[in-house]
Amino acid sequence: VLTQSPGTLSFSPGERATLSCRASRSVGSNYLAWYQQRRGQAPRLLIYGASNRATGIPDRFSGSGSGTDFTLTISRLEPEDFAVYYCQQYGSSPRTFGQGTKVEIK
Amino acid sequence: EVQLVQSGAEVKKPGESLKISCKGSGYTFSTYWIGWVRQMPGEGLDWMGIIYPGDSNTIYSQSFQGQVTISADTSINTAYLQWNSLKASDTAMYYCVTQPGRAYFDHWGQGTLVTVS
Repeated sequence: VLTQSPGTLSFSPGERATLSCRASRSVGSNYLAWYQQRRGQAPRLLIYGASNRATGIPDRFSGSGSGTDFTLTISRLEPEDFAVYYCQQYGSSPRTFGQGTKVEIK
Repeated sequence: EVQLVQSGAEVKKPGESLKISCKGSGYTFSTYWIGWVRQMPGEGLDWMGIIYPGDSNTIYSQSFQGQVTISADTSINTAYLQWNSLKASDTAMYYCVTQPGRAYFDHWGQGTLVTVS
């Protein structure tokens, strides 16, 4: 089970955002991904392997962590970054997602 | 450029059957795992299952085993998700995704909204 808390975070544009994803057991080989879903759009891959940015993802997005605790950091929030973020593990079957964290404008 | 283009929205009645599609382009369709993800209204993401089009090897999430059928046709680079008897609880957005090495989901279709009412 992946737990993302809190469910909603409020920030002003330009601020730094840190999102948490905690696994109930260790994620093998740091097989942890992050996705962004803007309102009305399909999700898109941001990070894989806990810390590798996907193609075309701005460097203000970074991932870190290992074992059971993982973090997505957005260094400076742009208006288009206000969205829902999901973590997903692929170290074991079935592939499971966290319930998501909504990043909203304060 | 990898693209996944899904079929359009559907409105069905309980008990009806349905098959939605996902056409891949910009890559070698037969050599890439392709899967399906459900998103119920206002909810999160649920992985349903995947297929390797090259040999039709299919793996289902236990939650969806027996409820849906995933298939693929390599002659037209298209994957399918099928229901034999829809329920109201199948109302959701369904996304097809490419899943390299059965790992993360690197490309997503635009989604197909299925409404059962």
